[in-house]
Amino acid sequence: SQELEQSPQSLIVQEGKNLTINCTSSKTLYGLYWYKQKYGEGLIFLMMLQKGGEEKSHEKITAKLDEKKQQSSLHITASQPSHAGIYLCGAAYSGNTGKLIFGQGTTLQVKP
Amino acid sequence: EPEVTQTPSHQVTQMGQEVILRCVPISNHLYFYWYRQILGQKVEFLVSFYNNEISEKSEIFDDQFSVERPDGSNFTLKIRSTKLEDSAMYFCASSREYYQETQYFGPGTRLLVL
Repeated sequence: SQELEQSPQSLIVQEGKNLTINCTSSKTLYGLYWYKQKYGEGLIFLMMLQKGGEEKSHEKITAKLDEKKQQSSLHITASQPSHAGIYLCGAAYSGNTGKLIFGQGTTLQVKP
Repeated sequence: EPEVTQTPSHQVTQMGQEVILRCVPISNHLYFYWYRQILGQKVEFLVSFYNNEISEKSEIFDDQFSVERPDGSNFTLKIRSTKLEDSAMYFCASSREYYQETQYFGPGTRLLVL
């Protein structure tokens, strides 16, 4: 089966600190999507990665996909309370499907 | 900024009743999806839909479920005879293309089956 695991499961950081969330796949990814979810709400798209070694940044969030396309990381620099929420990675495993497989999510709390 | 909308935001129903969850995808998107998230569990793919046909469906999407695009703007998920285990948050999503394209999600409908 296609497994997508995120680590850590939860994270509490002090405001201003950097943090990293990882997403590891048991199979080669075709595409990797990062979303943010506030508890009980919808998923907000953050970034999409497709090429091995690709790196994208938006404001203080950087996402990377490794060369083997089996692991992605999401790095937040100088965290703020607004970064708090649940971060989800979603994977496409082939180029002819729109189906996304999601990890279990990482809950981030940022303490002021 | 265009967004996916869903109604109702919450729905409570009795076991065995039919429910219809509604979604309005982003207007120039052609591909539509339903996902669900049981409390405390992963977001799971249910079905994808294009050109009035199902493109893909998961094992979860059995005969109790159906999808429809009744007009040019709405996309619906019907559960014919709800079960307790259908209680979940249901998300609609849409995208311009099917492959290698970002899916934009709605805020979800929280369904509670009693």
